[in-house]
Amino acid sequence: KNEVEQSPQNLTAQEGEFITINCSYSVGISALHWLQQHPGGGIVSLFMLSSGKKKHGRLIATINIQEKHSSLHITASHPRDSAVYICAVRSGGGADGLTFGKGTHLIIQP
Amino acid sequence: DVKVTQSSRYLVKRTGEKVFLECVQDMDHENMFWYRQDPGLGLRLIYFSYDVKMKEKGDIPEGYSVSREKKERFSLILESASTNQTSMYLCASSLSVGEQFFGPGTRLTVL
Repeated sequence: KNEVEQSPQNLTAQEGEFITINCSYSVGISALHWLQQHPGGGIVSLFMLSSGKKKHGRLIATINIQEKHSSLHITASHPRDSAVYICAVRSGGGADGLTFGKGTHLIIQP
Repeated sequence: DVKVTQSSRYLVKRTGEKVFLECVQDMDHENMFWYRQDPGLGLRLIYFSYDVKMKEKGDIPEGYSVSREKKERFSLILESASTNQTSMYLCASSLSVGEQFFGPGTRLTVL
């Protein structure tokens, strides 16, 4: 079973700062997901990646398959980025469910 | 836009009751999933389904069953609810091995 570790667990930063959230996993994967969860529970998929780097607006996700590590970066952070960010991996090639990290609780202060 | 809906946002039940949580998706996705989310434990997979009438156990299936009679609908059943099943339940769906789309969640309290 894959183990997914995220760091930090909690992060408070000032508006405008560059944010990095890290994720490592123990076993080879077919894909890694970054998810965002706002208060109230709704989860939104930010990225799904299996290699390299993806960018969407101020968000960048990278993955290093050899090192079993991924990072989520937020540039020019804003209070509306405050949320829980969750890393999840899919180990199989089929319709397997995801294995999740415990999440990083991010607060951006104005 | 993909829409995944869940039958209730909040639900309160008594110990021993049979509980049905329903999930519907409108994008013809093959795969559907049920997760529960608990503080300190994160999200964990209960069951998933990759086709009508097909189901697979996830990491924590004990105390739960599922039903998928139609492609768009995936039901989670608590045969006899217990207090340790108090949790947030999230449904998700996906095409093949793609991105998962989540419902808004049902916060279930078992008294």
